Amino acid sequence: DAKTTQPNSMESNEEEPVHLPCNHSTISGTDYIHWYRQLPSQGPEYVIHGLTSNVNNRMASLAIAEDRKSSTLILHRATLRDAAVYYCILRWAGNMLTFGGGTRLMVKP
Amino acid sequence: EAGVAQSPRYKIIEKRQSVAFWCNPISGHATLYWYQQILGQGPKLLIQFQNNGVVDDSQLPKDRFSAERLKGVDSTLKIQPAKLEDSAVYLCASSQGHGTGANVLTFGAGSRLTVL
Repeated sequence: DAKTTQPNSMESNEEEPVHLPCNHSTISGTDYIHWYRQLPSQGPEYVIHGLTSNVNNRMASLAIAEDRKSSTLILHRATLRDAAVYYCILRWAGNMLTFGGGTRLMVKP
Repeated sequence: EAGVAQSPRYKIIEKRQSVAFWCNPISGHATLYWYQQILGQGPKLLIQFQNNGVVDDSQLPKDRFSAERLKGVDSTLKIQPAKLEDSAVYLCASSQGHGTGANVLTFGAGSRLTVL
């Protein structure tokens, strides 16, 4: 299985941008890059996904390196409600969503 | 649209007792997943259904865990007999299909099991 590597934790100040990195050096051509987040006492929540091009939605932006070996989830203005564990996951056709340890984001007021 | 419904939200049982969790996926979602999340860890897939057939149950401890998805809609996950190490949150998720890596999963809030 293609693996991802994320920092265990990161800190951010409220209302500042946050860049959450993810390394996936063994990614293959058909792997989609997914990001989910899990708020305390809740199930994981879909954030964004992409294949090759950068993606934007109302929650975040996903920047994918040209060689696709890394990606960055960008929260443009962190709020206290963005404090969560963020998971970067590779997914291909038919496979399960395999979670790693994720990055715990702490947001300081 | 309504989300993924799970019940009960909380359950406390003694070891060697049995327990069942229920999941109602988003209407029209063909694929249903059960995950186990132990405190401090990421979720681990237990079983994946496509309609009412099992796609992957390689990580399901079949000596004590069972799951079914009759009629391809609701699903039940059962543990019998429970062990202390089964204390975890059991998450149900659904997606429209599994034929592409672009499919997005929607998770329920989970059922928290404590085994004493």
